[in-house]
Amino acid sequence: NAGVTQTPKFQVLKTGQSMTLQCAQDMNHNSMYWYRQDPGMGLRLIYYSASEGTTDKGEVPNGYNVSRLNKREFSLRLESAAPSQTSVYFCASSEGGVTAAYGYTFGSGTRLTVV
Amino acid sequence: AQSVTQLGSHVSVSEGALVLLRCNYSSSVPPYLFWYVQYPNQGLQLLLKYTSAATLVKGINGFEAEFKKSETSFHLTKPSAHMSDAAEYFCAVTGSARQLTFGSGTQLTVLP
Repeated sequence: NAGVTQTPKFQVLKTGQSMTLQCAQDMNHNSMYWYRQDPGMGLRLIYYSASEGTTDKGEVPNGYNVSRLNKREFSLRLESAAPSQTSVYFCASSEGGVTAAYGYTFGSGTRLTVV
Repeated sequence: AQSVTQLGSHVSVSEGALVLLRCNYSSSVPPYLFWYVQYPNQGLQLLLKYTSAATLVKGINGFEAEFKKSETSFHLTKPSAHMSDAAEYFCAVTGSARQLTFGSGTQLTVLP
């Protein structure tokens, strides 16, 4: 019953450092998403992948890159971390393609602090 | 474009009282609507969803929501609050943008 697995769960970075957040799902879902959650702002979409081999920008893509490695895995990279990227990051997947009529399954999140 | 407005960032109710969390949406196409719950230090869990079938949708843990097109609303209710309902609740919509757009969340506190 793994669902969506995110690693790491916690990370502290210094400004300018890079890192990759990993996400894997075992539900054979077509679509995967990266969101960031900040207090009072809900969840904002960073990037999404409607299907294997495709990626698209969401609402707040600046400072991030993504890779859909295969159908299971979707990684998020911070090339040069900034304090404004301190947030909780959630990966999600959906079985219903881009229309997301079935809702999303979320991972447990990565808490990132940039100092 | 699509958007969600959740009225009230914090709601407090007494244990056993009615829970009402408000959500209004805008969408240029018939929407799909969702409520998610987030317990502390956890991910989001789907409570219920409206996908153009019955307008009154029943979810997990005794929650339900009614889709009202004329009011562009999808309010979440539960007849009797339990201490375990304390969490943050998010309303979300998919419309023309084809991805979930979330509201800013409502923190529910249940008082003994």
